[in-house]
Amino acid sequence: DTGVSQDPRHKITKRGQNVTFRCDPISEHNRLYWYRQTLGQGPEFLTYFQNEAQLEKSRLLSDRFSAERPKGSFSTLEIQRTEQGDSAMYLCASSLGAGAIGGYTFGSGTRLTVV
Amino acid sequence: AQTVTQSQPEMSVQEAETVTLSCTYDTSENNYYLFWYKQPPSRQMILVIRQEAYKQQNATENRFSVNFQKAAKSFSLKISDSQLGDTAMYFCAFAISGAGSYQLTFGKGTKLSVIP
Repeated sequence: DTGVSQDPRHKITKRGQNVTFRCDPISEHNRLYWYRQTLGQGPEFLTYFQNEAQLEKSRLLSDRFSAERPKGSFSTLEIQRTEQGDSAMYLCASSLGAGAIGGYTFGSGTRLTVV
Repeated sequence: AQTVTQSQPEMSVQEAETVTLSCTYDTSENNYYLFWYKQPPSRQMILVIRQEAYKQQNATENRFSVNFQKAAKSFSLKISDSQLGDTAMYFCAFAISGAGSYQLTFGKGTKLSVIP
């Protein structure tokens, strides 16, 4: 297993377009998280899946954002009608069980630039 | 709501010297975990060290150790024998234990530069 993979690494899009990011967690990890990191800030929690169920969403996740994790494997994060304020690094992390026990494994992130 | 504060935006240290990064947090919870994560330039975030709040003994991982002061809500990271590869952003983070998502709340980070 090569860890948590995120695709694409970079995405440049025009304002108003839709974008979709993919995260492939470590295969046996049942918990999956999405975070957003803006320049000069620490990551902020967006949403959490346990297997295929989306159990928690941050107030940061506006109705333009949707996340899925079909079959409890990979996850996608879609942003509709992108705005310049959506420009950020989107990080995915996965963990096995109660993640604090072993920490969380992060992907390298998808850097989104909205022009 | 939980908050994590890192008061040192940037720090530098000479190679082989020791440096301490500060972190304070605010919570009304009694059971939680604290973490230090390292994010090298253009690379993924990796776990440096983890501390359970119910443990009084400070966690240690090779050259990395913490000073956990629960009453003061302080969680500092000491890096001994600093190496060039330690150059990175360091984030302090917090997660409530028990039922729930174990989502991490991060500080804004400290940029550490190790000088040859």
